[in-house]
Amino acid sequence: KNQVEQSPQSLIILEGKNCTLQCNYTVSPFSNLRWYKQDTGRGPVSLTIMTFSENTKSNGRYTATLDADTKQSSLHITASQLSDSASYICVVSAGSSNTGKLIFGQGTTLQVKP
Amino acid sequence: GAGVSQSPSNKVTEKGKDVELRCDPISGHTALYWYRQSLGQGLEFLIYFQGNSAPDKSGLPSDRFSAERTGGSVSTLTIQRTQQEDSAVYLCASSLGTKNTEAFFGQGTRLTVV
Repeated sequence: KNQVEQSPQSLIILEGKNCTLQCNYTVSPFSNLRWYKQDTGRGPVSLTIMTFSENTKSNGRYTATLDADTKQSSLHITASQLSDSASYICVVSAGSSNTGKLIFGQGTTLQVKP
Repeated sequence: GAGVSQSPSNKVTEKGKDVELRCDPISGHTALYWYRQSLGQGLEFLIYFQGNSAPDKSGLPSDRFSAERTGGSVSTLTIQRTQQEDSAVYLCASSLGTKNTEAFFGQGTRLTVV
């Protein structure tokens, strides 16, 4: 069964600190992996998208890594800010067809405190 | 349009009534997705369209749910004889349709069945 598992489920950190969120997937065939940020009451917004051949991709203070062999990804947030408080969702695109189906993890809820 | 637009943003309906939710994707996006997010839960895939056809309807929870897309653009998600467990935020996303392009989400429709 195609699944995407994220950990931790929730995380509280102090402003300025770094943190790393994990994503494990059992999706085959694999097309790409995305990280989304979802603020409360809003739709998800894309942070990064990585294909099979990419190991790391950065977007400002966000850096995503991908190990396609072990089917693991991480999202590292550097020098956290209060505005980073949100749900972070790992999404894997399955299938070899043109679009594939997006399979969502349950998300990690991050709270950044002053 | 500039982004994915969903309407209404909020809908309160009585149990047993039918509802229609609308999604206007970004112009030119051939792929369109519907997801459901219950309170505190991750996103649950419902259906996706490639053009006007729906290659994958596997996520529709029951035969009370149906969706259509006309002209390769606007999509409507219809829920017949609504139940309280249908209460959730219904999110729509669209993408260009090529394999590794981003999916952009609307703000969602919050449905409350009383």
